[in-house]
Amino acid sequence: QVQLQESGPGLVKPSETLSLTCTVSGGSISSSYWSWIRQPPGKGLEWIGYIYYSGSTNYNPSLKSRVTISIDTSKNQFSLKLNSVTAADTAVYYCAIVDTAMVIVYWGQGTLVTVSS
Amino acid sequence: DIQLTQSPSFLSASVGDRVTITCRASQGISSYLAWYQQKPGKAPKILIYGASTLQSGVPSRFSGSGSGTEFTLTISSLQPEDFATYYCQQLNSYPLTFGGGTKVEIK
Repeated sequence: QVQLQESGPGLVKPSETLSLTCTVSGGSISSSYWSWIRQPPGKGLEWIGYIYYSGSTNYNPSLKSRVTISIDTSKNQFSLKLNSVTAADTAVYYCAIVDTAMVIVYWGQGTLVTVSS
Repeated sequence: DIQLTQSPSFLSASVGDRVTITCRASQGISSYLAWYQQKPGKAPKILIYGASTLQSGVPSRFSGSGSGTEFTLTISSLQPEDFATYYCQQLNSYPLTFGGGTKVEIK
């Protein structure tokens, strides 16, 4: 079974760039769609975007101006960059595998990123 | 964006109860709806997709129905491990969106 693991800093200063990596094990990243979703503490889920293994992307318009999702097939990893962060970007960030119908079939365990000076 | 409204937001029930959660979409989404279960401190887990198709390994006490703008998730006999928060998600158009969640707690 495919497993996903998020990694990256747990604390980011306001106005700086949040950077997370998702490492995929137990399967190849050279297929499927790969997505990021976030969840502010005590709140609901927000879809950030996805990247297809070929490199094509689709982002949530609410974040599109600040988000970049990239993929490194040689490392079986994909990454999230969110720039100009504010306290409103404090959340648990999940990486996930999405099937062709956009169902989120497997999730990473999530990583809490706090935006604070 | 398509808005999803779940009701109720909070539900208190007993083991063995039949529980129904509703998800209403701001516009028609055919059957492009999924349901997820999330337990505290854990990632969500897919339960149902295509509005009514049970994900492999999910107990048959879970069922989904609906199409267009109104959908339901039913748990036929609530078990202790079912106390969690449930989210619907629309897969019809971008951006993908989620409902606000329904927290099911023990009465």
